[in-house]
Amino acid sequence: QSALTQPPSASGSPGQSVTISCTGTSSDVGAYNSVSWYQHHPGKAPKLMIYEVSKRPSGVPDRFSGSKSGNTASLTVSGLQAEDEADYYCISYAGSNKLGVFGTGTKVTVL
Amino acid sequence: EVQLLESGGGFVQPGGSLRLSCAASGFTFSNYGVTWVRQAPGKGLEWVSAISGRGDTTYYADSVKGRFTISRDNSKNTLYLQMNSLRAEDTAVYYCGKGVLPAAMFSCDYWGQGTLVTVSS
Repeated sequence: QSALTQPPSASGSPGQSVTISCTGTSSDVGAYNSVSWYQHHPGKAPKLMIYEVSKRPSGVPDRFSGSKSGNTASLTVSGLQAEDEADYYCISYAGSNKLGVFGTGTKVTVL
Repeated sequence: EVQLLESGGGFVQPGGSLRLSCAASGFTFSNYGVTWVRQAPGKGLEWVSAISGRGDTTYYADSVKGRFTISRDNSKNTLYLQMNSLRAEDTAVYYCGKGVLPAAMFSCDYWGQGTLVTVSS
């Protein structure tokens, strides 16, 4: 079960946008419209930001958006705010035997 | 208010066993798939296991398959993770999560605060 590939870090100034990629294969990201994104502050519970590639749960600001092209999914955070500084993880459905595969995680820093 | 509360973590020697519990409230537990995710010290999130709402379908990561068993008691609104043959690499904070949709077992909109499992001699 290989983890999905994310850049280790990303950064932006307040008000700017940052986009995080999540690269998988034709067996996971590319095969299903079932990619989710979590925001995680260490020591706290993960927070679901996006599911099914681009859907936002209630309460998640529309500054957060998701998309997918081929084997790569992306999370874009627009209008960066200080509280957006966290680790972000993607996870994709990988078939009925494996179910979920997380990405390697990206640390977002607000400069 | 949806709440998930994990318990059962602790210190165990390699080869030992632990059973984690996750008590759910504030929603119709049997209608939703639930999942376990863990984070080892200094590492990223790892999906561990999931179970459907009725408990008739289970899923496991390769790293725990054959050693961990997920189950649920819908009459008690409780999720379990029986962990056997524990290894040092199982040391992590374990979180339980509720699917955002009934069948969305790893897209979880609510999580517990986690319980720490330490496997060491």
